[in-house]
Amino acid sequence: DTAVSQTPKYLVTQMGNDKSIKCEQNLGHDTMYWYKQDSKKFLKIMFSYNNKELIINETVPNRFSPKSPDKAHLNLHINSLELGDSAVYFCASSQDRGVLFGQYFGPGTRLTVT
Amino acid sequence: DQQVKQNSPSLSVQEGRISILNCDYTNSMFDYFLWYKKYPAEGPTFLISISSIKDKNEDGRFTVFLNKSAKHLSLHIVPSQPGDSAVYFCAVGSGNTGKLIFGQGTTLQVKP
Repeated sequence: DTAVSQTPKYLVTQMGNDKSIKCEQNLGHDTMYWYKQDSKKFLKIMFSYNNKELIINETVPNRFSPKSPDKAHLNLHINSLELGDSAVYFCASSQDRGVLFGQYFGPGTRLTVT
Repeated sequence: DQQVKQNSPSLSVQEGRISILNCDYTNSMFDYFLWYKKYPAEGPTFLISISSIKDKNEDGRFTVFLNKSAKHLSLHIVPSQPGDSAVYFCAVGSGNTGKLIFGQGTTLQVKP
């Protein structure tokens, strides 16, 4: 039983396209996150939703738009993809803010923009 | 501007010995400190955490030490096992925001 799942696992697309990555968690958590791991392996938070409300919105281009239809889902839509968007994107979830008991990560989506 | 640094990109130890992974942070306002483990092609997995009111937390073979005055935390794994070979990330956060800031990871190799 996968706790945090992401689709697709790999995504190859051309510059200028629009794409979405989906995330679902079955842990009953109330907070979900999107992280980006760049080529230097830094894992950086992009967004966080708590009970469908946006609570963290880091300095991310507004081409990136998260959408949370319910507590168990947090999707990431990216418009006008650029080469620099190539990275691994991780979804995560936690109960409350998850700083002491950790956040549970999905397997990642490797996005390659050509 | 890196707020969390793991200065050793890699570490190699013999099975059965102790592995010590280190992490430094810059902001004394952080009050939670975590370690994650990551295998290739998988997401990070939460290992152990500590709050700023403690200086040590132990869970089986894993112990995290926090030195607030030095803004330094470390993860001790003893005894190390080949299955511990992975990338280890430290992360720091604030209970108010829920935001975690990660280091860039240390690759641990445990040799049989």
